[in-house]
Amino acid sequence: AQTVTQSQPEMSVQEAETVTLSCTYDTSESDYYLFWYKQPPSRQMILVIRQEAYKQQNATENRFSVNFQKAAKSFSLKISDSQLGDAAMYFCAYRRGGGSQGNLIFGKGTKLSVKP
Amino acid sequence: DSGVTQTPKHLITATGQRVTLRCSPRSGDLSVYWYQQSLDQGLQFLIQYYNGEERAKGNILERFSAQQFPDLHSELNLSSLELGDSALYFCASSVVDRLAGAYNEQFFGPGTRLTVL
Repeated sequence: AQTVTQSQPEMSVQEAETVTLSCTYDTSESDYYLFWYKQPPSRQMILVIRQEAYKQQNATENRFSVNFQKAAKSFSLKISDSQLGDAAMYFCAYRRGGGSQGNLIFGKGTKLSVKP
Repeated sequence: DSGVTQTPKHLITATGQRVTLRCSPRSGDLSVYWYQQSLDQGLQFLIQYYNGEERAKGNILERFSAQQFPDLHSELNLSSLELGDSALYFCASSVVDRLAGAYNEQFFGPGTRLTVL
């Protein structure tokens, strides 16, 4: 079975600084997707960034980028120029690929605090 | 706004009771997923429906059941409620178009907060 592990329950960053959130996963499949979701106090689940396993290039979305190390099964999220609005729970998630594209498997989450 | 709606937003009930949570997917999305978020278990997949048929089951208790109707809305039924069932229940929808062959994002609703007293 696939598992997702986030080893940092809480992280803190100074406004305008850079922070990296860690995630490791375990799977025997070759076709899959990895995601970072943000959950602010409103509890809405917001997709931050997505990485396809077959792509070697790391995904980037504005201030958010990932470091995808397929062989090490590592998928970290880097937030640059942190803003107060980045404060939230961040969840790493896995989803198998292929036509069926089933459910998401989530890590336990990392609570990110941003200090002004 | 993701386009996925869930009702009610909040639900407070007593142990032993039965409740129904409702989800309306985005227009055109055939697949509905239910997730439970609790302090103990984190975010867990419960069940998936695709075009009215059950597609996959996760860690769903036997006291819980779901269905997807012809208009594609879905209901999650929770019975014989226990204190531990208190959680945030999310519904998500996606297109799941096999012909497209491309990634289909899951769009999350705002969730239903269930409190069992």
